[in-house]
Parts: sequence; structure tokens; C-alpha cells
Amino acid sequence: ELKVEQNPLFLSMQEGKNYTIYCNYSTTSDRLYWYRQDPGKSLESLFVLLSNGAVKQEGRLMASLDTKARLSTLHITAAVHDLSATYFCASPGDFGNEKLTFGTGTRLTIIP
Amino acid sequence: KAGVTQTPRYLIKTRGQQVTLSCSPISGHRSVSWYQQTPGQGLQFLFEYFSETQRNKGNFPGRFSGRQFSNSRSEMNVSTLELGDSALYLCASSLLLGLMDNEQFFGPGTRLTVL
Repeated sequence: ELKVEQNPLFLSMQEGKNYTIYCNYSTTSDRLYWYRQDPGKSLESLFVLLSNGAVKQEGRLMASLDTKARLSTLHITAAVHDLSATYFCASPGDFGNEKLTFGTGTRLTIIP
Repeated sequence: KAGVTQTPRYLIKTRGQQVTLSCSPISGHRSVSWYQQTPGQGLQFLFEYFSETQRNKGNFPGRFSGRQFSNSRSEMNVSTLELGDSALYLCASSLLLGLMDNEQFFGPGTRLTVL
């Protein structure tokens, strides 16, 4: 059974600080997705990582993928309050299997 | 381009009733997946449909069923509702099954409360 593990589950950090969320997965898939969810809202796609060594950046968020280690990271630089949300990583099955298995989520709270 | 739409957005039912949720994918998207989100179990996969065929099914009891129509719209049905079925039900659509860049786009969800 595919497992996707995220840590930490909860993260409270001050504005201006840097931090990293880790996502370990057990499939051999070369793809990994990151989503953001605000309270009471749906999932917003942040990053699609398609191959080993992929790195994508959007504003203060940067995601990377190491398929050999089966590890993805979401790095937050100089956090601002607007980044407070829950972040999920998700791994599809092997190629052709689009079922997403989600991590437990990391609830990020940025303190002014 | 309109996003994924789900109806209804909120639903309150009582135990034993049944419910039907609807999802309209992004225009041109042929793959539709359903997920259940609860505080205890997180996000769990329910079904995946492509061209009116169920391609994948998650570990849910037979009370949960779904279908996809020729226009790619999808419905899911839950019969004999239980308290534990209270959840946010999310629908996601993607362009084509099996593409490397098969990003799934999520709808706003239907929040089901079972009393």
C-alpha cells in the first residue's frame, strides 16, 4: 500500500523565518504534487514536480523532488502571514494510475 | 475558463438517507476523481472515472458508488448514510489519463453533514 508521510504536522513560525516541510512517499512514481488548503476551502494546486531533481519556485515557496530518496521538500523563505494554510503533498500511483495518495498535511501558522 | 464545479455545496441529511453529489469537470477534461476529506482520516481517494468507465476505486464500502456521463460530468451516491460519512467531498478533474503532466484540479467541494 502506498504511503505518503509529511512532517511536521503542525508548524508555527514567525514572519521572516525560513522553514522546510518534508514529504516522503513509497511509490516509484516520478511525479509529486503540492497543494494548499485554506480553512473551509478546497485544494489549490501549487506545484507539479515531474522528474528527479525537479525544482520549482513561486514567490516565497520552492518545491523540489528527489525520486531516488522518494523525498520532496517545500521550502518557505521569509514567511509572511498570507502563507498560513495547510499544505499537502500527494503522490500518484505508477504511470497511468492517477489515484492520488495524500500526506497528512502540514498546518502552517505564521505569527506576525 | 470555468473551473470544476460541484453541487450542492452544502448538504444536511439524516442517518439512513441517501445522497447524490454532482461534479462538472473543466471543459475538455475527461478524467474525474472523487476524494473524501475528514479530520480523522484526511484525504482519501474514492473513485476515478475516464470515458464513463471506473478506472480505480478506493477502499470504501459498497454504499459509495459513482458514475460518469458521456459529457464527462460525474455523480457520486452514498446510500444508507452513517454519521461517519460526514465529510468534505472533493471532485477533481484532469485532462487525460496517463499523461505525465496529469495535474488534477479540484472543485470547491460538497460539505455533507449527517445527523
